[in-house]
Amino acid sequence: NAGVTQTPKFRILKIGQSMTLQCTQDMNHNYMYWYRQDPGMGLKLIYYSVGAGITDKGEVPNGYNVSRSTTEDFPLRLELAAPSQTSVYFCASSLEGAVYGYTFGSGTRLTVV
Amino acid sequence: GENVEQHPSTLSVQEGDSAVIKCTYSDSASNYFPWYKQELGKRPQLIIDIRSNVGEKKDQRIAVTLNKTAKHFSLHITETQPEDSAVYFCAASKDSGYSTLTFGKGTMLLVSP
Repeated sequence: NAGVTQTPKFRILKIGQSMTLQCTQDMNHNYMYWYRQDPGMGLKLIYYSVGAGITDKGEVPNGYNVSRSTTEDFPLRLELAAPSQTSVYFCASSLEGAVYGYTFGSGTRLTVV
Repeated sequence: GENVEQHPSTLSVQEGDSAVIKCTYSDSASNYFPWYKQELGKRPQLIIDIRSNVGEKKDQRIAVTLNKTAKHFSLHITETQPEDSAVYFCAASKDSGYSTLTFGKGTMLLVSP
């Protein structure tokens, strides 16, 4: 089992560019999540999904979009990148809800210049 | 929504000392409280969790206590070692519905030899 795999690990974007952060899991988990981590601010939930075809907003969804066409994949799309989106992005999954414990990916460090 | 406050933001101890990190939460419906450890440049990993029907839980040198009346929970690390140095995050969630974790801002624990 690879667990939760995120790509890329690092990326530099110019203001206004777009990109997709990839996340895939091979544990047959139903729930998947995207968090962003900023220094001293903890982890903030961007979007989450409770199963294929179902997504919902978290605390900080503005500027992002997601889709969940399969159980395994949960890509995060950034449209019109802004410097405020400079952050480390973590994808996570859990079997069902949060009480089953999260498995995190290794993160994507994104810089918008 | 849920709000989790975590203190202190930084904690420095000598090897062998004990360390205590405290968190408070706002939503009385929350009943699942995990702790995650994040080493420098790595992904967060679950180290211990507690549910509202339990007041204390131990796992070797780490323990978590929960006071539901006061809405606070704490992480206790005894006999600290340099490899305990990391950022520790507390979190809270409900165990029903579409549950997601709300994280505290983190505590950087530094254990000096």
